[in-house]
Amino acid sequence: EPEVTQTPSHQVTQMGQEVILRCVPISNHLYFYWYRQILGQKVEFLVSFYNNEISEKSEIFDDQFSVERPDGSNFTLKIRSTKLEDSAMYFCASRAYVSSGNTIYFGEGSWLTVV
Amino acid sequence: RKEVEQDPGPFNVPEGATVAFNCTYSNSASQSFFWYRQDCRKEPKLLMSVYSSGNEDGRFTAQLNRASQYISLLIRDSKLSDSATYLCVVKGNAGGTSYGKLTFGQGTILTVHP
Repeated sequence: EPEVTQTPSHQVTQMGQEVILRCVPISNHLYFYWYRQILGQKVEFLVSFYNNEISEKSEIFDDQFSVERPDGSNFTLKIRSTKLEDSAMYFCASRAYVSSGNTIYFGEGSWLTVV
Repeated sequence: RKEVEQDPGPFNVPEGATVAFNCTYSNSASQSFFWYRQDCRKEPKLLMSVYSSGNEDGRFTAQLNRASQYISLLIRDSKLSDSATYLCVVKGNAGGTSYGKLTFGQGTILTVHP
């Protein structure tokens, strides 16, 4: 079964540092997402990306965050000046064009710990 | 009112038991509904979609009541391997930029014991 891959699986970073989380979506998918889950809390939508631009973002996704699809395969989430409260599991997800079905596939997640 | 609200649980049941989870959602324009399963520190995985006519997949039965904005999941003959957190998930409106965004409930923890 095709899968979304994420790296790193776990990253520890100092408060104030910049972090880049990487994702390789399923190859024929066109819609990309980042979600996050703080330990013990629900999965929260951060941002959706289509046709090389953000299509929707949540209140969480402020100027500290940015996304990019630099080379047509990777989809990255950059978190600038990390804060303790950014510690969470970050999930990348992708979906094929709507006519191909609506299933969203999640990657295994990148666990970010800010110390 | 929370966008997606679930039974808080946790549910602790013996093997073979039948267990039911309930969920309500606030946005009447929501288009698609799902149950996901999440194991500890893992990604959510689609368990099943939920349709108004009700649908069944082996031991799992899901129901949707659009009028009441209510979704349910029934698990029959529980197995040890069913132990997980069950997430009620709603997808936004068709069309526009909300299509594809998933809204998750808090999740209900199920533990099946021998």
